[in-house]
Amino acid sequence: LAKTTQPISMDSYEGQEVNITCSHNNIATNDYITWYQQFPSQGPRFIIQGYKTKVTNEVASLFIPADRKSSTLSLPRVSLSDTAVYYCLVGKGRGSTLGRLYFGRGTQLTVWP
Amino acid sequence: GAVVSQHPSRVICKSGTSVKIECRSLDFQATTMFWYRQFPKKSLMLMATSNEGSKATYEQGVEKDKFLINHASLTLSTLTVTSAHPEDSSFYICSARRSETQYFGPGTRLLVL
Repeated sequence: LAKTTQPISMDSYEGQEVNITCSHNNIATNDYITWYQQFPSQGPRFIIQGYKTKVTNEVASLFIPADRKSSTLSLPRVSLSDTAVYYCLVGKGRGSTLGRLYFGRGTQLTVWP
Repeated sequence: GAVVSQHPSRVICKSGTSVKIECRSLDFQATTMFWYRQFPKKSLMLMATSNEGSKATYEQGVEKDKFLINHASLTLSTLTVTSAHPEDSSFYICSARRSETQYFGPGTRLLVL
C-alpha cells in the first residue's frame, strides 16, 4: 500500500495561489493519485485525479513528475471558503477491482482575509 | 454526476440497540462501495469494502459481526451497527466507486447514549 506524506498545515491569504505537495515514494505502476477536500462534518469531496504529467479542471491543477513519487495540488486564487482539509491518496485505479483508499492525516489549509 | 447519498444524516440511539445506515449511488451503478469511520479531528479510517452480490471484505481489526454490511443492489449498500455502545459513536462515511474514482456520501453522525 502506497503511503503518502503531506504537510500537516498550511496558511494562505485570499487571492493567492496555494500549492500542496504530497510524497508517495512507493506508488505502484497502476496507482492513480487523487485529491479530496473535506469540510468539518462532511464527506470528502473529489477535487482532481491524475496518473502522470499535468491535469487541470475548473477547480485545480495537479502536477505529477515523471517518476510519480510526488504530486502537487495547485489551487489558484484561494478564497476563505477553501479553508478545509486536503487529502492526497494513492490507489489502484483502472482495471482493478480493489481501489481501496487509505487516508493519511491530510493538510489543513487555512485561508485568511 | 456521481452523487452519493446517505441516510440518516444523524442518529441517536440507546446503548444495546442496532442502527442501520444506508448508502446510495444516485446516478450511477457501483459494484463496489466502501465504509469509513472518522473520529473528531482524525482522518478517515477504512472499515470495509462492500461488494455487490458477495460478502464484504473487512479491514484488520474491524469486527464483521459488529458492523454488518449488505450490498444487495448496484446502488445500495447498508451498514448495520449491532448492539451499539458509546464507543461506536462516530462519523460514518460511505463511498461508491465509479471507474477510477471514489465519490463520498455526506456522512452519518451516530451518537450512542
